[in-house]
This record gives sequence, structure tokens and C-alpha cells, in this order.
Amino acid sequence: NAGVTQTPKFQVLKTGQSMTLQCAQDMNHEYMSWYRQDPGMGLRLIHYSVGAGITDQGEVPNGYNVSRSTTEDFPLRLLSAAPSQTSVYFCASSYAGITGQANFGYTFGSGTRLTVV
Amino acid sequence: KQEVTQIPAALSVPEGENLVLNCSFTDSAIYNLQWFRQDPGKGLTSLLLIQSSQREQTSGRLNASLDKSSGRSTLYIAASQPGDSATYLCAVRDTGFQKLVFGTGTRLLVSP
Repeated sequence: NAGVTQTPKFQVLKTGQSMTLQCAQDMNHEYMSWYRQDPGMGLRLIHYSVGAGITDQGEVPNGYNVSRSTTEDFPLRLLSAAPSQTSVYFCASSYAGITGQANFGYTFGSGTRLTVV
Repeated sequence: KQEVTQIPAALSVPEGENLVLNCSFTDSAIYNLQWFRQDPGKGLTSLLLIQSSQREQTSGRLNASLDKSSGRSTLYIAASQPGDSATYLCAVRDTGFQKLVFGTGTRLLVSP
């Protein structure tokens, strides 16, 4: 049971480049989320999904795009990288909030450290 | 909008002390509250999960309490050790789209 797997672990991009951060989970979780973590700002929600084909914006969605074609995968796309997107990105997943299942917590991936120069 | 605050932002204690980390949240309509540990440059490790109907949870030297009506949770660490040095994050799961809202963390340093 691998849990939540994020790739790559490290990435350096030039301003204006695009890339996709990968996230996969093998726990059949309905909910998946992307967060970014910046010093002094805590973890902020970028986008989230409550199931395959359903996504919505979080607190800081600008410059990012997501899709959820399968239950397992939730990729995060940077459309045109900017230095302000230098951050550590975490993917997380959880069961949906049906009685009983909501008592399970979120599981996090190990993160992707992205630098935009 | 749910807001989560953690106090103190940083804490330095000698080994062996018992300590309390505080977390407060503004909206009591939550599914649960989760405490995480994060080591420098690493990911988040879940420590304790408290359901909204529970008052506390224990795991080894850790005890977390929840007072939903007052919007507060505490993480109690008994007999602290240098290996406990890390950042501790509190997060609440809201009852809407069940997003996880984080505090900014307490950075703990336990010196030998």
C-alpha cells in the first residue's frame, strides 16, 4: 500500500515554462487536494476534488489547473510558471464525508519542492 | 471563513518537560481535527485525529483534546525528548466540502 505518491520530488523551472506535478493514491479515496506551503503562510489550498470528474478552486487557484479523470490521479498543472510559484507542493487524499468514513483523516504525499527562476 | 490559529509560534524547552500546544478555530462546524508533525524539509505525518463528537485522543506520550463549542484544541506532549523537535500543525476538516484548513504551526525545539 503506497499511500499518496507525488512526483517529482524536486523541480527547477524557468519563468514561463509549464509543467505537471503528479499525484496518485491507491486507497480509493474520493477526496483529493493540492496545497502549497510557504514560510510564514502555512498550507494553503490550491484546488480540490470530491470525486472523478469534479474539481473546484481553493484559496489560491490562480496560475494552476487540475483535472480528475480517475479516482487515483489528480495532476496539478502550472500553466506559465512564475517566481511567485516557488513553493513546496503537497497532495492529500481522504475518504468522503459519509458517516463513519469522515472519521478518517487526510493522508499526505511527501511533497514536491519547486523553484522557478 | 474558517480560520485556524496556533499559539505559540515557537517553543524551546529542555528535555523532560511536559508541554502544551494550542490550536483555536473560528467555526465550530467541523467534522474532525487532525494534528500533524512536520520535520524540516519533509512531509506531514498524522499524529492524532479527533472526531467532532470526541473530547480527546491519546497515542503514547501525546494527548489531544477538543472543545468544539469553544473552538479549541490542545496537544499535550509528556516528557518531551529531543526527537520531538519539529513543527506541529493543527488542521480542521470543515463540514462543507470537507476541506482541511491549517494553522501556521508551532515550531518546537527540545534541547538535551
